[in-house]
Amino acid sequence: DAKTTQPNSMESNEEEPVHLPCNHSTISGTDYIHWYRQLPSQGPEYVIHGLTSNVNNRMASLAIAEDRKSSTLILHRATLRDAAVYYCILSTGNQFYFGTGTSLTVIP
Amino acid sequence: NAGVTQTPKFRILKIGQSMTLQCAQDMNHNYMYWYRQDPGMGLKLIYYSVGAGITDKGEVPNGYNVSRSTTEDFPLRLELAAPSQTSVYFCASSYSKANTEAFFGQGTRLTVV
Repeated sequence: DAKTTQPNSMESNEEEPVHLPCNHSTISGTDYIHWYRQLPSQGPEYVIHGLTSNVNNRMASLAIAEDRKSSTLILHRATLRDAAVYYCILSTGNQFYFGTGTSLTVIP
Repeated sequence: NAGVTQTPKFRILKIGQSMTLQCAQDMNHNYMYWYRQDPGMGLKLIYYSVGAGITDKGEVPNGYNVSRSTTEDFPLRLELAAPSQTSVYFCASSYSKANTEAFFGQGTRLTVV
C-alpha cells in the first residue's frame, strides 16, 4: 500500500499563508495525490487533488514535486475556519488510504 | 441535493447485538466506501464497492459485512458487536476511483457496551 507521512501538527497565524507538507516516497505512476480536511465532529471534506502538475482551486493550491515523492498543500490566507486535520492521501487502486493527518491550529 | 446520508447518527449497542448502519447517496456514484475512525486516529477502510453487486475488503473488514444491491445504497452490517467496534463510522462515495473527489457522510457514532 502506498503510504504518506505528514507532521502531526502545525500552527499558523490568521491571514498568513500555510504550507502543509506530505511525503509519499513509494508513490506509483498512476497514484493521484488527494488532500482532504476534517473539521471537528464532521466527515472529511475534499480540498484538492492532482497527478503531476500543480493545481489551484478556490480553496487551496497543490504543489507537487517533480519526482512526485512529496507534495505541499498551500492555504493562501489561513482563517479560523481552516483549523482542521488535513489528510494527504494517495488514491491507489480502488481505495483511499488515510494516514493520521496534520492538525492545523490557526492563531488569531 | 442530499449527497451522502448516514443513519443513525448515534447508537449504543450491547455486546453481541447486531445492527445495520445505513448509507445512501443520490449522486449516481459507482464507488462507495465504509471507514471507521477511532479517537485521535485517521480513517481506516473497512469495505468498498465499485458498483452494484461488487464489494471488496479494505484494511479492517473483520467483524463486518456489506452488500450493494443498488447503486444508491451500501449498508454495513455488524453481526456480533464487540467493544472494539466502538468508533465513528463514515460512509463515502465517488464517481470513479482516482481522479474525482469523494463525498463523505456526517458519520455514525457507535458505542458498544
